[in-house]
Order: sequence, then C-alpha cells, then structure tokens
Amino acid sequence: GAVVSQHPSWVICKSGTSVKIECRSLDFQATTMFWYRQFPKQSLMLMATSNEGSKATYEQGVEKDKFLINHASLTLSTLTVTSAHPEDSSFYICSAISSFLGSYNEQFFGPGTRLTVL
Amino acid sequence: GDSVTQMEGPVTLSEEAFLTINCTYTATGYPSLFWYVQYPGEGLQLLLKATKADDKGSNKGFEATYRKETTSFHLEKGSVQVSDSAVYFCALSDRGSNYKLTFGKGTLLTVNP
Repeated sequence: GAVVSQHPSWVICKSGTSVKIECRSLDFQATTMFWYRQFPKQSLMLMATSNEGSKATYEQGVEKDKFLINHASLTLSTLTVTSAHPEDSSFYICSAISSFLGSYNEQFFGPGTRLTVL
Repeated sequence: GDSVTQMEGPVTLSEEAFLTINCTYTATGYPSLFWYVQYPGEGLQLLLKATKADDKGSNKGFEATYRKETTSFHLEKGSVQVSDSAVYFCALSDRGSNYKLTFGKGTLLTVNP
C-alpha cells in the first residue's frame, strides 16, 4: 500500500515550452503533497507544499509563477514548469502524506521525473 | 530551524564489511527520524524510521536507534552487499513544521565485490 506514481518518468522539451508533471497517490487519499527538486549528486530541495483544494505554499526562493502547482483532488497534484529553460533541467520528485493513514508523519515518494530542457 | 548533518561520502567498502553512516540532528520539537535510500536514477525509498527516543528502526539488515541524548540516528549494517550500493539520506520530520522533511546531504555508498 501507499504507492505514489509520477508521470512522465522522463521528458525532453525545447526551451520556452511548458511541461506538466503529474503525481498520483494510487491507493490512498493524500491530504498533503510535496514537490522536491534534486540536482545531480545533491540532496532534495523542497520546492512547495500543497494541500488539496488550496493554494500551494512555496519555499523561499522558488518562483511560484514559474512552477505552478495544482492539487485538485485527494489523489492528484500537478507541477507545471512554465517557459522552461535549460537551468530548469533537473530531477523532480513528489511525495504525499495522508492524515487517513496511521503513519501520518511518513512521506511516500514517487519515482521521480527527469526533465531535460534543450 | 531544523537541520540534519550526516557523514560526508563517498564511502567505499568491500562486500561483507561493517557499515556505519553517522547522522545527527537539531530540531525545535520532538521529531520522527528516517533513513531513505536512493538507487541510481530512482526516487527515494524509506529504509527505516523511528518515532520516539530509544526506538530502533530496522529493515533489510540495516538498523538505526533514536538517541535523544546525543541527538543521533546512526545507520549500521553488519555485512554489506554489492546491492546496497546507493545514496543514503538521513531525514527528520517535525510536527511543528507541518511534517516537512529536512534531509541531510546524502552519503554515497559503493560496495565492491
């Protein structure tokens, strides 16, 4: 149980285009989802926290107009990288927690999405 | 604020060697502690966790004990295998921070046959 999926697993796009990444909780309702960015050989950097039905809370230094996050349902959150540029190339990972599960403080991670902007 | 400091790598061991990766933390509240593992090109997998002092998390031969007095959560394994080669992240989650995870920088482990 507690499986989180991401789609796509990798994407290549041209500079200036927008890319949408989906994060789904497959077998539980996610009250909160997190989006992380990971640069090569580095730790995860939290970008934003999203709660179902409300606006995302962005970490300091993260451009909310560039990284649009929508958490429209209890099983789906999306991250849209708008007007992508090569410096946005990275590994994006989502995670989810649920107040309905016993382990309310445990985040369940998706497998990640590799974004390459040409 | 909360922070996690873990042993810098890379760590290179021979198969069947003993592994220790040190992790210490600072937190304003009473956090839960985690070790995550990341295999090349993949997302994070929870390896083990502990939610209160003196708890021992264990999984796949790995162990870590929540030591409140020394604010530590060191990861150990008695006999590593080549398949254990990965990056290991120590992390904490604090209720006061809305369960956000604070990660250490990660330790790359390479196990040679």
